[in-house]
Amino acid sequence: DTEVTQTPKHLVMGMTNKKSLKCEQHMGHRAMYWYKQKAKKPPELMFVYSYEKLSINESVPSRFSPECPNSSLLNLHLHALQPEDSALYLCASSPSAATSSYEQYFGPGTRLTVT
Amino acid sequence: AQSVTQLGSHVSVSEGALVLLRCNYSSSVPPYLFWYVQYPNQGLQLLLKYTSAATLVKGINGFEAEFKKSETSFHLTKPSAHMSDAAEYFCAVTVSGGYNKLIFGAGTRLAVHP
Repeated sequence: DTEVTQTPKHLVMGMTNKKSLKCEQHMGHRAMYWYKQKAKKPPELMFVYSYEKLSINESVPSRFSPECPNSSLLNLHLHALQPEDSALYLCASSPSAATSSYEQYFGPGTRLTVT
Repeated sequence: AQSVTQLGSHVSVSEGALVLLRCNYSSSVPPYLFWYVQYPNQGLQLLLKYTSAATLVKGINGFEAEFKKSETSFHLTKPSAHMSDAAEYFCAVTVSGGYNKLIFGAGTRLAVHP
């Protein structure tokens, strides 16, 4: 199984809402990533988890809060978002974050719209 | 610092024609390079990767890429385009010692017309 799953597929939320994005992989990977992708742009790294510990936070605003409950799950908690946060949010995993030659496996993404 | 540059934000080819998507990299250390494809409203799928084992790398769907150190290039090719190849293509490099952080190029949108 080389699949990364993400739920929900689409999400519309108001600026005062709290919502969560979920990501799951069952490949035994120990590194998981969140990316944000705006229309017609490449993905931009937000967070990296290695062995369930937050290893990289790319200066992401605190209204985005990641969580890694176990080695298979990755959540992104959203609160008080702005319309400019509307984007495709991609989750990815790789066997390890310690080796730069490993490819990352991407999920299908969650299309987020903030109204 | 590592970076990649994709030349040409849009490429249009006829079905059956050669596909050539250009990528140049900048790296002070031997790089690890990747090509990903993204179909509309989907995530990214790995086409192929270069990890120094061989300079000519074969990937999925008939794509291949050649690593040329002298030209700092890693161009993606396919001998004969198919309509289903229409998508966005991203070249990427990982940052050494950086938790496998991927740095993407701006992307090239490939259009295939009959």
